[in-house]
Amino acid sequence: DADVTQTPRNRITKTGKRIMLECSQTKGHDRMYWYRQDPGLGLQLIYYSFDVKDINKGEISDGYSVSRQAQAKFSLSLESAIPNQTALYFCATSEGGVGTDTQYFGPGTRLTVL
Amino acid sequence: DQQVKQNSPSLSVQEGRISILNCDYTNSMFDYFLWYKKYPAEGPTFLISISSIKDKNEDGRFTVFLNKSAKHLSLHIVPSQPGDSAVYFCAASAGGETSGSRLTFGEGTQLTVNP
Repeated sequence: DADVTQTPRNRITKTGKRIMLECSQTKGHDRMYWYRQDPGLGLQLIYYSFDVKDINKGEISDGYSVSRQAQAKFSLSLESAIPNQTALYFCATSEGGVGTDTQYFGPGTRLTVL
Repeated sequence: DQQVKQNSPSLSVQEGRISILNCDYTNSMFDYFLWYKKYPAEGPTFLISISSIKDKNEDGRFTVFLNKSAKHLSLHIVPSQPGDSAVYFCAASAGGETSGSRLTFGEGTQLTVNP
């Protein structure tokens, strides 16, 4: 079984709809992240959480919100989707602590907003 | 403001030859650098990293070189294999207590290794 799972894997929705992307992990990591990937732009950090009570904005948080329901679950919401939020979304986890902090990524969710 | 740049969108090499992927950065606070590999329909996977206190790190066929004065790093793959065909992302972190927790990614380079 995959350590970091994302649901759904693909989603097509319409402008103005509310969308939730979910991420679950079995790695026991404290830290979780949401990224989006656009062609030619690499991955950009949307939000990150270093533990259940800690939520932080990343580079491009406008139009998004997150919820850390438990150590293992971190969901990303688009309250009112717009076409330029069409992208590939990745969740990642890391262990945290002192020293290097390798991030492990889920398989991604491809979101299309019409 | 793109703080991490990979200027080559694509690279094509022959099997058995060396692949060299390049990355430049502008933020002098970056002190930890990573390379991730991504296959289609999968998430990025960690490949190799280097701390700014080093100028070289090697792991099997993969070597990362860091030139701090030039703010440049490169990934060498020797020998290249068809299974190495993927998109390679360079990433950097300003560290602090835990290096690698907040990553800034480059745009990616599509490597194709031809049999």
